[in-house]
Order: sequence, then structure tokens, then C-alpha cells
Amino acid sequence: DVQLVESGGVLVKPGGSLRLSCAASGFTFNNAWMNWVRQAPGRGLEWVGRIKSKTDGGTTDYAAPVKGRFTISRDDSENTLFLQMNSLKTEDTAVYYCITNSRGLWYWGQGTLVTVSS
Amino acid sequence: DIQMTQSPSTLSASVGDRVTITCRATQIINNWLAWYQQKPGKAPKLLIYKASTLESGVPSRFSGSGSGTEFTLTISSLQPDDFATYYCQQYNSYSTFGQGTKLEIK
Repeated sequence: DVQLVESGGVLVKPGGSLRLSCAASGFTFNNAWMNWVRQAPGRGLEWVGRIKSKTDGGTTDYAAPVKGRFTISRDDSENTLFLQMNSLKTEDTAVYYCITNSRGLWYWGQGTLVTVSS
Repeated sequence: DIQMTQSPSTLSASVGDRVTITCRATQIINNWLAWYQQKPGKAPKLLIYKASTLESGVPSRFSGSGSGTEFTLTISSLQPDDFATYYCQQYNSYSTFGQGTKLEIK
């Protein structure tokens, strides 16, 4: 079974940094394009960015609100996805999900809560 | 960037009703559209992918249709467990979500 398990969410001050992790299993991680999606409290879903597989170039794309502040990376040897978040703002407060499409289906982790507050 | 406009934002209905939620894309998305159900405190649950393919285990009262830029999710006969928030997602170019539809008990 496909499993995605996020971790690393904590309370952080505005301007701070944080790295989230997503441990993946049950599919061929090194072939997968991986995404991060977030959901602010009481709000809708927002795509944050994605990283392609290394065989497809390993390039990254980001949504406008996070471009230049967030960096997505991957460790295929550990089947792990990362989200490095810098210069955090209060509006980055959200549950962060890693998601992937495997064999046509979308799979989601349970999410990890990031709170940006002084 | 592709924007998704989902309507209505809130829908009040009763058990047994037939309801329809619509998503419109700002450009053709080649049926790369998914529908999700989300309940409070939980991750979204995939209902439909590729616009009309029902995910395994999802009740057949859920159906998806549409093509081009306009898509619908229909629940043929609402059950108590269906009251939740629903989202569409395009994945033709990066990914974008609709704003959500909260399905409430009338």
C-alpha cells in the first residue's frame, strides 16, 4: 500500500526556517513526481510546489506565494521528500501535505501542522 | 496558470437529495481532474480521478462527468455520511484546486 508520512511541523516565529519531511513507501519513489499541498486553518487547499523524478530532470516548480522562500528536494536513497521553508510568514500557517500520483491515483499523507506566530 | 472556479461554495440539502457541484477551468485540462471529499481534521479522500473514474471502494452514488473546461460531481442520493466539504483538482498543468463546496444538512 502507498504510504506518505509527513513530519517536522512545529511552532516557529515569523522570519524563521523549518524543514518538513515526507517518508514514502509502497511505490517506486525514485520514479515519482512529488508535490506539497497546504491548507490554512478553515481554508481551502493550495498547491505549494512539486519536484519531478531525477529521470525526468529532477526540476522543481513553485506556487507564486512561496517562490524564492521554499525549496523542495528529495533523497531517493531514503525514499524521502523535503520542504525547506525560509523567511516564514504568519500566512504560511497551515497543515502541509505531501501528495503523489501513482498509477493514476492521488495519494495523500496525513499532514503536518506548521504554525508561524510570535 | 490554470484557475479552477468551483460552485456553489455552500450547498444545503437533505438526505436522499440529488446534488451537483461544478468546477470550471480557465483552459482545457484534458480530463485531468479529480474530486475529493474532506471531513474536519482529515486529509482529503479521493473520490473520482480522470474526470469520471470512480476510485475503488467509493459508493456508486458518486459520479463525475464533463470535458474540456467544465466538470461536475454528482451525488445521486445523499447519505448522512456525505455531508462534508468537496474539492476539485486539476492536474493537467502543475495542480490547482477549486475553492471548495461545503455540503450542509438542510
